[in-house]
Amino acid sequence: QQQVKQSPQSLIVQKGGISIINCAYENTAFDYFPWYQQFPGKGPALLIAIRPDVSEKKEGRFTISFNKSAKQFSLHIMDSQPGDSATYFCAATLRGDKLIFGTGTRLQVFP
Amino acid sequence: DTGVSQDPRHKITKRGQNVTFRCDPISEHNRLYWYRQTLGQGPEFLTYFQNEAQLEKSRLLSDRFSAERPKGSFSTLEIQRTEQGDSAMYLCASSSDGGGQPQHFGDGTRLSIL
Repeated sequence: QQQVKQSPQSLIVQKGGISIINCAYENTAFDYFPWYQQFPGKGPALLIAIRPDVSEKKEGRFTISFNKSAKQFSLHIMDSQPGDSATYFCAATLRGDKLIFGTGTRLQVFP
Repeated sequence: DTGVSQDPRHKITKRGQNVTFRCDPISEHNRLYWYRQTLGQGPEFLTYFQNEAQLEKSRLLSDRFSAERPKGSFSTLEIQRTEQGDSAMYLCASSSDGGGQPQHFGDGTRLSIL
């Protein structure tokens, strides 16, 4: 019940396209859902986050869509750029406790 | 730079040796977390502190692992009698109190066991 399932494992997108990464969770008590971006040799960097009382949050080219009834949330990267090439992790947490991470999606954006 | 700082960045050691890592959190954050990340996987929770109190430990944290946060500031993670399976990136994160507070990560310590 603590798992967060993430797909796809890898994603190849052309420059200017839309990248979409999906996550699903089981524990309905989770109250915070962040997305992290990680470059090789670096720690995860917080990208955007959402709470379950909101269905969508947008920050620049990054949007989280949240479907509470389906227990799913997704990250959309609009106008994908080569600099967006990285590994993306969804995560979930309860009351600021430990983050439960998905397995990651390796995104490659080709010019 | 006021982010989370970890030291050392890389540690190479022989099997059976003890190693210690340090994490300096963002100064106003009273929560500090340790995670472990192996190649191609997401970070896995090890333990976390609120101020100097260790509130939760994962079952991943065997008795060879110990973490401290004296005075509620920096934290250390020690691994005794290292094993090949301990090779990983050890990540530290910090946050403010309460639910919905973002955790900010350092760049980790990469441990390689020869």
